[in-house]
This record gives sequence, C-alpha cells and structure tokens, in this order.
Amino acid sequence: GQNIDQPTEMTATEGAIVQINCTYQTSGFNGLFWYQQHAGEAPTFLSYNVLDGLEEKGRFSSFLSRSKGYSYLLLKELQMKDSASYLCAALDSNYQLIWGAGTKLIIKP
Amino acid sequence: GAVVSQHPSWVICKSGTSVKIECRSLDFQATTMFWYRQFPKQSLMLMATSNEGSKATYEQGVEKDKFLINHASLTLSTLTVTSAHPEDSSFYICSAPQGDNEKLFFGSGTQLSVL
Repeated sequence: GQNIDQPTEMTATEGAIVQINCTYQTSGFNGLFWYQQHAGEAPTFLSYNVLDGLEEKGRFSSFLSRSKGYSYLLLKELQMKDSASYLCAALDSNYQLIWGAGTKLIIKP
Repeated sequence: GAVVSQHPSWVICKSGTSVKIECRSLDFQATTMFWYRQFPKQSLMLMATSNEGSKATYEQGVEKDKFLINHASLTLSTLTVTSAHPEDSSFYICSAPQGDNEKLFFGSGTQLSVL
C-alpha cells in the first residue's frame, strides 16, 4: 500500500535548527511536497523536490533521496512564527497526492 | 486516521465541457469541506467552503457560477467546473475537518487538463 510517515510532534527552541523527516512508499513517484499550515489556515507551499539532493530556500531547505524513499525539511534560525504543522505529501505515478498526517512543530523561547 | 476520498484523480476534457469532482469522507461526517486549487509550484489556494445543507462560501475572485459546489450529504461534496477552459487546468484538492480539534484531512487531488 501507499504510506507517508512523519513524526506527530516536535519541539525546538527559538534560534535553533530542526529537521522534520518524512518517509514514503508510493506506487511510482513524481515528486514530494512540503507544506506549512498554521491553525485555521490553508496550507502554504514550501518546496517541491523531484530530484535527489538538497534545495535551499532562505531559512528552509528540503532534501530528497529517491532510493531511500526519504525526505526532510530543515528549518534554520527558528522563529516563533514557525510554530505550525508541516505536511509532507508525495505525488504517485497517477498524479495522486499521498498526504502525511503532519508534524506539529512547537517553538519555545 | 480519517480518510477523504477524492476522484477522479485526473481528467482530460475538451474546452467547453463540464467536469465534476467528488470528495467523500469515508469514516466520518463532514458538515464542512474545503476546495483548493494549486498551480504548479504555488500554494494551495482556498476556493470555497462547502457547507452541508446550505450554500457554499466562495473566496474573493472565485466565480460561483463557474465552480458549482454541492454538499448534499454529510459525507459528500462535489465541485463542478462548468464550461471548462484551458486556464482552468490545475490541481484541485479537497479537505475536511474531523474531530474536536478539527484536524484537516486531505483528498488525493484531481489533475484537470482542459484541451
């Protein structure tokens, strides 16, 4: 079956670095998305990886290893506003999005 | 966890035709469902909020006569793209909140290509 796994909740300190991992098993693969979602709001697109490697975009970076079925989202210089849920979603061969349950990130001062 | 089923997963149609997308909550009741549209490498854009038994609430700039929403039961909401044109080609996703904390569960998306 198809499956996405990511931690339910993580806690980090303001100014620090946190890495949110995501493993996926899909029928075919056409890329992996990371979204940020604040409570009561629609998810915001953060990144899309389809090739292996690290893509950096400001304080956020996303990594993909297709052979391992693994991705991570790296957040640097954490700010209180980064407290949110982070959703990992993989696009399978039929262009269906398979969603993870989301990781709630709590930032402490 | 809760499951939201969305289909079709992809559809190709000719310009001027109408396309219906279904979103079902499989193991819970959803009085509210959300419809989003996503263009490549852009954020999900909320189009409308579907309310069971009443009219949908559309976001600013979304044509309610073009994107018809019907939420006829507690487990089914449909989005019909009427007289589709190539600029309507996009990825459409639905979601439904479940539980006391109203955690959102998402459908698998529908890729619409209008020729």
